[in-house]
Amino acid sequence: AQSVTQPDIHITVSEGASLELRCNYSYGATPYLFWYVQSPGQGLQLLLKYFSGDTLVQGIKGFEAEFKRSQSSFNLRKPSVHWSDAAEYFCAVGPPYSSASKIIFGSGTRLSIRP
Amino acid sequence: EAQVTQNPRYLITVTGKKLTVTCSQNMNHEYMSWYRQDPGLGLRQIYYSMNVEVTDKGDVPEGYKVSRKEKRNFPLILESPSPNQTSLYFCATKGIGGDRNTEAFFGQGTRLTVV
Repeated sequence: AQSVTQPDIHITVSEGASLELRCNYSYGATPYLFWYVQSPGQGLQLLLKYFSGDTLVQGIKGFEAEFKRSQSSFNLRKPSVHWSDAAEYFCAVGPPYSSASKIIFGSGTRLSIRP
Repeated sequence: EAQVTQNPRYLITVTGKKLTVTCSQNMNHEYMSWYRQDPGLGLRQIYYSMNVEVTDKGDVPEGYKVSRKEKRNFPLILESPSPNQTSLYFCATKGIGGDRNTEAFFGQGTRLTVV
């Protein structure tokens, strides 16, 4: 079955500290991979995406993610978090073909920033 | 500017009173979808549409209807809302085919409360 697992429901880090949010997926083939961020009261904004090529992808707001095929993982990282990074983060996967475009989301990780 | 517009943003209604949440996009995307977001469950797909007059059930379609009479609009209809449909709803769109099979774009969300 296709699924996305975000094992951490809630993470708190200090401002300026590094961050890693975990994401594992189960899929029949290598999917397209995404990270979205949802700020309070807002819709979902795309942080970054992976389709193919370099397994380390850079996104907006200083975020990056690394695709590891052997671990079926796509963890999100940021070297130094800012208070404005407090939000909910969703990992998602989509099919690597155009005919069926369903995107499957993880349950989300809520990030809190400690001053 | 690329936009996905949902209305209303907030809605409180009573059990059994039919309601419609509208979604409109200006990106000429073929694919449109409705999700509901509930704590701990992430985003679950309700219905999706691959093009005009083509709709199909997602993971949690019970109690919902949709229609796709025009490419830009994809309304979500609750014929007889119940309290368990209290949730945050998102409309999403994406292009399909070739290199357009990329990320989804989301509306700002509709927070629905059924009392």
